[in-house]
Amino acid sequence: AQSVSQHNHHVILSEAASLELGCNYSYGGTVNLFWYVQYPGQHLQLLLKYFSGDPLVKGIKGFEAEFIKSKFSFNLRKPSVQWSDTAEYFCAVNEAYNNNDMRFGAGTRLTVKP
Amino acid sequence: NAGVTQTPKFQVLKTGQSMTLQCAQDMNHEYMSWYRQDPGMGLRLIHYSVGAGITDQGEVPNGYNVSRSTTEDFPLRLLSAAPSQTSVYFCASSYSSGGPRSVDEQFFGPGTRLTVL
Repeated sequence: AQSVSQHNHHVILSEAASLELGCNYSYGGTVNLFWYVQYPGQHLQLLLKYFSGDPLVKGIKGFEAEFIKSKFSFNLRKPSVQWSDTAEYFCAVNEAYNNNDMRFGAGTRLTVKP
Repeated sequence: NAGVTQTPKFQVLKTGQSMTLQCAQDMNHEYMSWYRQDPGMGLRLIHYSVGAGITDQGEVPNGYNVSRSTTEDFPLRLLSAAPSQTSVYFCASSYSSGGPRSVDEQFFGPGTRLTVL
């Protein structure tokens, strides 16, 4: 089964700084890729997803992610963070042709200082 | 729509007690799942269901049972609680179970925080 690694456990940034959160997965086959966000006290919600096509995916709230197949990576980026982006971010992967088993990374806690 | 609802929000159990965590969705979703969230480990899939009457194990199924008698409900049962089951439990649903290249978004409930003493 695949596994997902998020190397940054806690990231602290000032407002307007650029963000990049790393995500790597271990499965060698075709995958679907997701980023979810959990704002304090709220449900997990989908930021963006990739399954085929343009490897640069744009999501809600100005977030984007780039799928680099050769590096097994799906890093999340935002050019300029806001205080309201303070949240926990989870990368998730499932196999494209057997996608009932979703695997999540451990999460990255982002704190944005005003 | 209420979306995905979970009850209770908080629960404290003693070792060996049993309980059922409730999950319901009103979106007519086929796929439902249970995750546990532990610090530093992200979300781990416990069980999932691709439709009424069909369930399967996820990554960490031991100590948990599920059933899916209706499309709307997917309860999670702990038959004999252990301290290792202290966690936050999330239920999620999506429109379909997939099939090739399906990338349906999962909708999550608010979670149940369970403590086993």
